[in-house]
Amino acid sequence: DAKTTQPNSMESNEEEPVHLPCNHSTISGTDYIHWYRQLPSQGPEYVIHGLTSNVNNRMASLAIAEDRKSSTLILHRATLRDAAVYYCILRPHNYGQNFVFGPGTRLSVLP
Amino acid sequence: DTEVTQTPKHLVMGMTNKKSLKCEQHMGHRAMYWYKQKAKKPPELMFVYSYEKLSINESVPSRFSPECPNSSLLNLHLHALQPEDSALYLCASSQLGGPFYEQYFGPGTRLTVT
Repeated sequence: DAKTTQPNSMESNEEEPVHLPCNHSTISGTDYIHWYRQLPSQGPEYVIHGLTSNVNNRMASLAIAEDRKSSTLILHRATLRDAAVYYCILRPHNYGQNFVFGPGTRLSVLP
Repeated sequence: DTEVTQTPKHLVMGMTNKKSLKCEQHMGHRAMYWYKQKAKKPPELMFVYSYEKLSINESVPSRFSPECPNSSLLNLHLHALQPEDSALYLCASSQLGGPFYEQYFGPGTRLTVT
C-alpha cells in the first residue's frame, strides 16, 4: 500500500483557516486521496476525497498538487468542534477494499 | 439513514468468556469492515466482507471470529481473548465498486479483557 506522511500535531486558533498537509510521494496514477477525521471518543468520519482536481464540500476543501505527490486539507474557519485526528489515506483503484490509516495529524483548536 | 450502530458500547470480559460484538447498517452497503484501534493509534483493518462473504482477513488470530449473517449485520465473536486485545473495535460499511466510495464508521465498542 502506498504510504502517506503527515505532521504529528498542529495547532490553530478558532475561526482561522487551517491547512493540513499530507505527503504521498509514491502515489500511483489511479490512487484516490481520502481524508477522514476522528473526533474524541467517536469513530472516524469521512471528510473529503479527490483524484486530480481540487475538491470542495460543506466540510472542507482538498487541494491536490499538480504532480499529486502531496495534498492539503483546508478547513476554512476552524471551530472548537474541529479538534480531532485527521487521517490522509490513499485508496488504489484495484483497492480490494483495503483501507490503511496512517498515523494522522492531531489538530488542536485554541479559543 | 447514514448510521452504523454498534452494540454494546462497552464490554468487559474475562479471558475464558465468549462474547459477541454486533454491527448494523441500513444503507444498502455490501461491504462491511471490522477495525481494531488501540489508544492513540490509528485504526487497523481486521476483516472485510463483500456481499456477505469474507474477502480479507488481515492475519487476525482465530480467537476473533467474524460473521456476516445478512447484508445489514456484522458480528465479531470473541473467545479466549488476551488482555492485549483490549481496544476500541470499530465497524464500518461502504458501497462496493470503486475507491471513491467513503466508509461510514460506527462509534465503536470499547472492549476490556481482564
